[in-house]
Amino acid sequence: EPEVTQTPSHQVTQMGQEVILRCVPISNHLYFYWYRQILGQKVEFLVSFYNNEISEKSEIFDDQFSVERPDGSNFTLKIRSTKLEDSAMYFCASKEGNEQYFGPGTRLTVT
Amino acid sequence: SQKIEQNSEALNIQEGKTATLTCNYTNYSPAYLQWYRQDPGRGPVFLLLIRENEKEKRKERLKVTFDTTLKQSLFHITASQPADSATYLCALGKRGSSNTGKLIFGQGTTLQVKP
Repeated sequence: EPEVTQTPSHQVTQMGQEVILRCVPISNHLYFYWYRQILGQKVEFLVSFYNNEISEKSEIFDDQFSVERPDGSNFTLKIRSTKLEDSAMYFCASKEGNEQYFGPGTRLTVT
Repeated sequence: SQKIEQNSEALNIQEGKTATLTCNYTNYSPAYLQWYRQDPGRGPVFLLLIRENEKEKRKERLKVTFDTTLKQSLFHITASQPADSATYLCALGKRGSSNTGKLIFGQGTTLQVKP
């Protein structure tokens, strides 16, 4: 069964460093998303991406964040200068119809 | 502001019983509502979607109801098993041409099924 994959599973970085989180969405899906979940809290929407552009972004998704679909399969989230409060699980999702399928997540730890 | 509430207290039930989880929302008119399962340290796994014009949806041992007047969805697991122990998330999707597919999640209810 097709699934969304994410790498790395765990990323540790120092405050102020740039990180890139990678996702491979399900191949025939056209809509892609990033969500995050701070430990013990809700899953929060960050950004949606369709037709090679951002279709919606949340208040969390400020200028430090960017997304890219560099080729036909990868979808990346870049955080330019990480802060301690960026520590969270980051989930990529892709959509068919209204059903979203999530990847296993990348645990980002900012020290 | 938009609010989605799920029972934050864990639900403990005996194996074989029916688990019923609740999702209430305010200040929102979703086009559809989805239920996900999340295990610790893992991503949400899609279970069921119900649209605003549907009252009930079933899939194997799962049943979802959606009452747009009460602004409430109920999620039932019949003949529950210890393997059903997990956190269950409800998520709302909005309607219309501005629908980018963004989901708004509740905080989840943890279900513990005891053998």
